[in-house]
Parts: sequence; structure tokens; C-alpha cells
Amino acid sequence: AQTVTQSQPEMSVQEAETVTLSCTYDTSENNYYLFWYKQPPSRQMILVIRQEAYKQQNATENRFSVNFQKAAKSFSLKISDSQLGDTAMYFCAFMKHVRGGSTSGSRLTFGEGTQLTVNP
Amino acid sequence: DTEVTQTPKHLVMGMTNKKSLKCEQHMGHRAMYWYKQKAKKPPELMFVYSYEKLSINESVPSRFSPECPNSSLLNLHLHALQPEDSALYLCASSQASSRRGEAFFGQGTRLTVV
Repeated sequence: AQTVTQSQPEMSVQEAETVTLSCTYDTSENNYYLFWYKQPPSRQMILVIRQEAYKQQNATENRFSVNFQKAAKSFSLKISDSQLGDTAMYFCAFMKHVRGGSTSGSRLTFGEGTQLTVNP
Repeated sequence: DTEVTQTPKHLVMGMTNKKSLKCEQHMGHRAMYWYKQKAKKPPELMFVYSYEKLSINESVPSRFSPECPNSSLLNLHLHALQPEDSALYLCASSQASSRRGEAFFGQGTRLTVV
């Protein structure tokens, strides 16, 4: 079974500064995907960034980038130029695709989350 | 259109009531999911439908009954719930294949059982 660990329950950052959220995971799989989702008070889970395990290059999406260390099973999220709208709960998630027979589908395993507050 | 729409947004029901949660997506996704999320906790997978067939049931009590009438719709029928079932219920969809399998979530239904 996969486990995802986020060791920082809460973090805060000043507007315009940079913050890094940490995530580690444990798996025996070789092919998988990793995601960061944010969940603001509006409740909707919004995909921030994705990383395929077979890609060595770290994913980037505008102000968001990851540091993916496959051997260390580490997947941290860096938010540059933090904005007030970045305030949310951030979940790291591991996805394994299950194929075959009646059990196909994607299974997402989430970490416990990090509550990020961006202060003006 | 990358939207997953859930109705209702809020629901209060008694323990003897029968109600249904609805979820709709028009992204052509053939995998749909129900998750349960308690306050300040991550979502927990309940059910997975792949090509309109139930493919994963995470040992969910039978008082929760999922249904996938077609490739765009997913329902969750509720009957004889308990107060501890109060939670945010999230629907999600994704492509059924392993490529680009990220899930898109709806805004959820906040369920309160009284």
C-alpha cells in the first residue's frame, strides 16, 4: 500500500515571498503519478501541478514548481511570489492506475494536508 | 469545459430519509469517483466507476448506493444514514486510461445527518 506524508500541518508566508511545502511517499511501484491539489475555503479541490514518475524533469506551472527526487521519494512544492489567493489547504497525492478485469480505475492516496496562509 | 458539477451543494437529512447526490461532467471522462471528506482531513475514496461499471468499492456500508446511469452522470443514493456520515462528499472524474489520469473534482455536497 502507498502512503503519503506531509510533515507540515500549517505554514504561513508573506505576500510576494517564496514558500516550499514538503511531501514524502512510500511505494514499491515504478510507474505512478504525483499531484499537488489545493482546497480553498470554497471546498473545491483544484489541481495545481502533476508529475509523472518516469520523467526526470521537474514540472512547473507558472509560479508553482516541484522538486521531484524519485530515489528519495520526495515531492516538494515551491510557490513563488505568493499571493493572497494561494491561501488554502494543499494536499500531496499519489496516483496508481489499476488496470485489468473489473478493478480498473485510478486510486488517489492523499497526504494529511498543509494549511498555507499567505499574509498581506 | 473542465467542470464537474455536483448538486445539491448542501443537504440536511434525517436518519430515516432517502436522498440522492448527483454529479455530472461533460469532459468525456470514462472514470468517475465518489470521495468522502471529513473536516480538516484528506478525501477518502469510496467508489470508482470505469466505463459505467463499478470497479472499486472501498468496503463502503450498503446505506451508500452508487449508480452510473451513463458516461456523464454519477449518483450516490443515501438511505438510513448515521450522524457520523455527515461530511463533504466529493465527486471526481478522469480519463480511464493511465495517461493524463489526473482527477477533476466538483465543489462537493456538504451533508449533515440529524
